[in-house]
Formats: sequence, C-alpha cells, structure tokens
Amino acid sequence: DAGVIQSPRHEVTEMGQEVTLRCKPISGHDYLFWYRQTMMRGLELLIYFNNNVPIDDSGMPEDRFSAKMPNASFSTLKIQPSEPRDSAVYFCASSPSGIGLIQYFGAGTRLSVL
Amino acid sequence: ELKVEQNPLFLSMQEGKNYTIYCNYSTTSDRLYWYRQDPGKSLESLFVLLSNGAVKQEGRLMASLDTKARLSTLHITAAVHDLSATYFCAVSYGGSQGNLIFGKGTKLSVKP
Repeated sequence: DAGVIQSPRHEVTEMGQEVTLRCKPISGHDYLFWYRQTMMRGLELLIYFNNNVPIDDSGMPEDRFSAKMPNASFSTLKIQPSEPRDSAVYFCASSPSGIGLIQYFGAGTRLSVL
Repeated sequence: ELKVEQNPLFLSMQEGKNYTIYCNYSTTSDRLYWYRQDPGKSLESLFVLLSNGAVKQEGRLMASLDTKARLSTLHITAAVHDLSATYFCAVSYGGSQGNLIFGKGTKLSVKP
C-alpha cells in the first residue's frame, strides 16, 4: 500500500488567498484525521471523520477552516482566507476501526502564508 | 481536560548510554501511543499500549504503561546515532478512537 498521500507537499501563498490541502487515506481505513503541527502549540487534532462523516471538529480554530470528505478515498482541508498565523505543517492520518489500532500519518503539507 | 506532559523535552546523550523518557497524563485513558518523528518527516508509530502493566519492546526501545500512576516510559538501551529523533507520546480520551492528545515531544540527540 502507498500509505497516506498528501498534496501538495509545500504550499506558499499570500495572506487572504484560499488554500486547499488534499489527502488520500489508506484503502480500507474507516477513520481520517487532520492535524496541525507548530513549534508553539505542538501537534493538534483539527477534525476527524468516521466513514466520511465528521465526528469531532472542535479543534478547528476558526470558521476560516473547513474540511470535507466526499468519499472514502479523498478529503480536503480548506483555509479561506489564509493568514500568516496559519503557517504550519498539516498532517493527514488514517486508521482502521477498532480499539488500539494505529493512526498512519501522511508526509504532511508545509504551508507558509506570507 | 486531558493534559499530556513529556519530560525531558530535550535530551542529549552519548552512544552506548541508557536513558528514559517519561509521559504523564492527567485523566484516565485506555490507550497510549509512542511515535517517532525525524526532522522534516512524518510520524511513525512505534508502540501502542492498551492495559496496565503492558510492556512492548522493539530493538533498543522498550515502552511500558502504568495506568494507575498515569505514566508511560520509553526506555532507550545502549543508544545509537540512528535513534536521534523526536519522540511523542499520545493518549486517547473520551472512549473514542479519534481523540488523541499528543505530548510536546522529546527531541533526542545521540552523539558519538
């Protein structure tokens, strides 16, 4: 299996622009997670889906952030409008169902908002 | 609110030495994970610990869990340079698969 695939790997944009991050989970995994990693705040869970349905979005920082999972093999995280404080590495992870099963992380998208 | 604290946050050690990284958490949890992250890379799963007294070992790394003390340890035996990385513990809460809280990470540097 190719693992969790994220695109793009790097994104540089200007403040106010819309940014869309993409994720393809591992086939057969029921759960998909979006995380943000910064030096100041560490690794934070933003939102997660189970069977394409958002379960907990309490970590989404503001209304400028939105996430969708239209099918089992694709998810997007959108920031509109972007701000410099959104600069971070965004990770997508997926997991099969069951207690104790591991979350597998993608390579991440490094976002820089100028 | 669940809090996860790791210590130390930075660890510089010589090859061949032993050391332990600690992970304390504030409320009851049924799962604890250890992950490794190399600079600029993704997170790689090392261990998942599910019950009190659980111990898992892989190579020079051994993880244990004491749910009564709300403490997990990651012990490094005879460190080698290849173990240099940042190590995170993560704890689940709320009985849901999705809710993981990560510690700040321990940046380990192993010097010859």
